[in-house]
Amino acid sequence: KNEVEQSPQNLTAQEGEFITINCSYSVGISALHWLQQHPGGGIVSLFMLSSGKKKHGRLIATINIQEKHSSLHITASHPRDSAVYICAGMNYGGSQGNLIFGKGTKLSVKP
Amino acid sequence: NAGVTQTPKFRVLKTGQSMTLLCAQDMNHEYMYWYRQDPGMGLRLIHYSVGEGTTAKGEVPDGYNVSRLKKQNFLLGLESAAPSQTSVYFCASSYSRGLGIYEQYFGPGTRLTVT
Repeated sequence: KNEVEQSPQNLTAQEGEFITINCSYSVGISALHWLQQHPGGGIVSLFMLSSGKKKHGRLIATINIQEKHSSLHITASHPRDSAVYICAGMNYGGSQGNLIFGKGTKLSVKP
Repeated sequence: NAGVTQTPKFRVLKTGQSMTLLCAQDMNHEYMYWYRQDPGMGLRLIHYSVGEGTTAKGEVPDGYNVSRLKKQNFLLGLESAAPSQTSVYFCASSYSRGLGIYEQYFGPGTRLTVT
């Protein structure tokens, strides 16, 4: 069964701290998505990666295919980064784009 | 572009009532999905569609029906609502970027309460 596990479930940080959220996945996952869900409920896609590393502003996502592990890093965290971060895997060979979601990591950044 | 929109944003139903949630996208995406999100659980796929006129079951399809009569619209129906269907429902649409990679765009969600 394809699975996606995230850690930690909850994370509290002080403004300015470097943050790491981890995602492990089972065999059969060909690509990883990182999503952000704002306190108001909206979901936006941050990254989609199948290898290597991607960077956007203060956000960095990495994936290690051999270890079946991905990380999302936030540098110089800010209270506006407070949100739920969701890792989602795509089935290898899937033709429908279906995603398998982790349960999310709730991040709270204190000023 | 409006992206992905959902109607309504909130709804309260009594057990046994029926309703339809509408999802619309203006990005000409082939793929559309309905998810539900419950506390402590990840998003779960209810039904999806890979093109106009086609639908398929996802992980938790029981109690729901869908239709995709037009490419831009994906409807989710509850024929006889039950309290277990109290949830936040998200619609998403997607396109293929090649090599089996799909980028999903999410709607704002519909909060449904069944009493």
